[in-house]
Amino acid sequence: DTAVSQTPKYLVTQMGNDKSIKCEQNLGHDTMYWYKQDSKKFLKIMFSYNNKELIINETVPNRFSPKSPDKAHLNLHINSLELGDSAVYFCASSQEARTGQYFGPGTRLTVT
Amino acid sequence: KQEVTQIPAALSVPEGENLVLNCSFTDSAIYNLQWFRQDPGKGLTSLLLIQSSQREQTSGRLNASLDKSSGRSTLYIAASQPGDSATYLCAVPPGGGADGLTFGKGTHLIIQP
Repeated sequence: DTAVSQTPKYLVTQMGNDKSIKCEQNLGHDTMYWYKQDSKKFLKIMFSYNNKELIINETVPNRFSPKSPDKAHLNLHINSLELGDSAVYFCASSQEARTGQYFGPGTRLTVT
Repeated sequence: KQEVTQIPAALSVPEGENLVLNCSFTDSAIYNLQWFRQDPGKGLTSLLLIQSSQREQTSGRLNASLDKSSGRSTLYIAASQPGDSATYLCAVPPGGGADGLTFGKGTHLIIQP
């Protein structure tokens, strides 16, 4: 059974479009995250979401918004896509900071 | 602000060698430190998680140590194999809150057959 899953695996879209990436975890974890891995392979936290508390990395544009319909899901919505949004986006979850994080397989977003 | 540095950035060694990957972090107020492996075009696989109260963790041929006071961790890989070729990342959470992991830039490891 997949612990953290993401859909789609690949997403190709044009500038200006709005898109969403879905994330689900079946681990019963309380906290979920979104990370961005840029072209230089550097991973940076974008959001963390815990018990309806959202913590946003200050560098993330407000075109990005996470939405959590329930504890097992944290979807990422991106409005007005730009070329610089092209990256791999990873979802992750953890029970708490002490217990380590589990990552999904990633979604490769290409904006043309 | 936490910063994580990994040395070396890249490493290529013949099969069978023992090797050490280094990770350092600037803020020692951490809960734990996690080592991951990333294969090209793939996600992150958690290798080892060391709690702040622990000195080391072992899994098979992998051994990770943590010296919290000096802000350092090492990942030791014994008897390296070509299948160990990957990028190895270390990451630490902040001292509190749900702010996510801070990652190093990774060590790209190639094991030559």
